[in-house]
Amino acid sequence: EAQVTQNPRYLITVTGKKLTVTCSQNMNHEYMSWYRQDPGLGLRQIYYSMNVEVTDKGDVPEGYKVSRKEKRNFPLILESPSPNQTSLYFCASRNLAGGNEQFFGPGTRLTVL
Amino acid sequence: RKEVEQDPGPFNVPEGATVAFNCTYSNSASQSFFWYRQDCRKEPKLLMSVYSSGNEDGRFTAQLNRASQYISLLIRDSKLSDSATYLCVVNIRNAGNMLTFGGGTRLMVKP
Repeated sequence: EAQVTQNPRYLITVTGKKLTVTCSQNMNHEYMSWYRQDPGLGLRQIYYSMNVEVTDKGDVPEGYKVSRKEKRNFPLILESPSPNQTSLYFCASRNLAGGNEQFFGPGTRLTVL
Repeated sequence: RKEVEQDPGPFNVPEGATVAFNCTYSNSASQSFFWYRQDCRKEPKLLMSVYSSGNEDGRFTAQLNRASQYISLLIRDSKLSDSATYLCVVNIRNAGNMLTFGGGTRLMVKP
């Protein structure tokens, strides 16, 4: 089944404790992206990647890092999480060569205390 | 001003009603347009693309007006299962192939 998976789905952590949210897709998509969704602010892009070893900042990259060492994986790293990073996070991927449909992972609800 | 703007709603309508949402975009270099649907606490999923000539998919009709820079979604004969948030999405040419999402319009269909 074609899908985007994220782990963990739910995470409660404390300020300053480094964490990684994994994202993996099995559709051989070049493009991958991370968003955060907050009430009243909609989906905002954090980082994106057009291919392996190519990453770029989105609209709200501060406090986040990403890497793209393999085509299928695009982890999101919070080196020192803060309470304002409490949010619902979505990973997404799509094929740049074909249509524009973007496939989203199921989301990760993160709470930083 | 947001790049993609939508009325957040909620739109409360009875079953069987026809409801329409509009979305405006500010960047005239916008190239592709979509409607996504997001159920509560779930991920967004593509509902339909929006073509220049307008397009229909069952009870759903999407229209694009490039001159006025807005797109619309019309839902006929609303079902309870149509209750969701509808996201307007724009792909801006030369913007790193990024999709820009509107804040969403919440629809609640009541029995």
